[in-house]
Amino acid sequence: KAGVTQTPRYLIKTRGQQVTLSCSPISGHRSVSWYQQTPGQGLQFLFEYFSETQRNKGNFPGRFSGRQFSNSRSEMNVSTLELGDSALYLCASSPERTDTQYFGPGTRLTVL
Amino acid sequence: SQQGEEDPQALSIQEGENATMNCSYKTSINNLQWYRQNSGRGLVHLILIRSNEREKHSGRLRVTLDTSKKSSSLLITASRAADTASYFCARNSGNTPLVFGKGTRLSVIA
Repeated sequence: KAGVTQTPRYLIKTRGQQVTLSCSPISGHRSVSWYQQTPGQGLQFLFEYFSETQRNKGNFPGRFSGRQFSNSRSEMNVSTLELGDSALYLCASSPERTDTQYFGPGTRLTVL
Repeated sequence: SQQGEEDPQALSIQEGENATMNCSYKTSINNLQWYRQNSGRGLVHLILIRSNEREKHSGRLRVTLDTSKKSSSLLITASRAADTASYFCARNSGNTPLVFGKGTRLSVIA
């Protein structure tokens, strides 16, 4: 099976812009989670989606949003970008929530 | 913090030596998972140990779990330069998302 794919892999934006990141899970996986990774804060949970429903949301401002489509593909959106949003954004999929998570390669977002 | 905590934060060893990393957590778990991350890339799952298990092996990896002490350890035997990476523990408590620790950076020197 193909692994989790994330697009784009690298992105440079300026403050105030918005960005949309995409994640395609492994075929058959219904759970998709998003994480933000920074050197200072480590891996922080953003959202979890299962069968198009958001089941959990991390402690991030409302500028961060996401959704999941009927084919399990997921997108996350960050509006009004801030310098502190520069990070590696990781998507992970799993058949069910408690299972092993399979991570994509990440999207490296740089906000200038 | 609900995060697991790994220690040490960084570890440097010679090729062929064993590396041990520890993880502590604060709440009850369904399972605990270990992941590896090569620099700037996605995480790769290494091993999952359930709360009713005490030890698990996978190749050169050995994981132990002590639920009474709320701690786990990952042992990598006969380390290789290719084992250089960051290692994270992540706890699963059922109805909540995986919670990752801050990781241990392992450097294996050839």
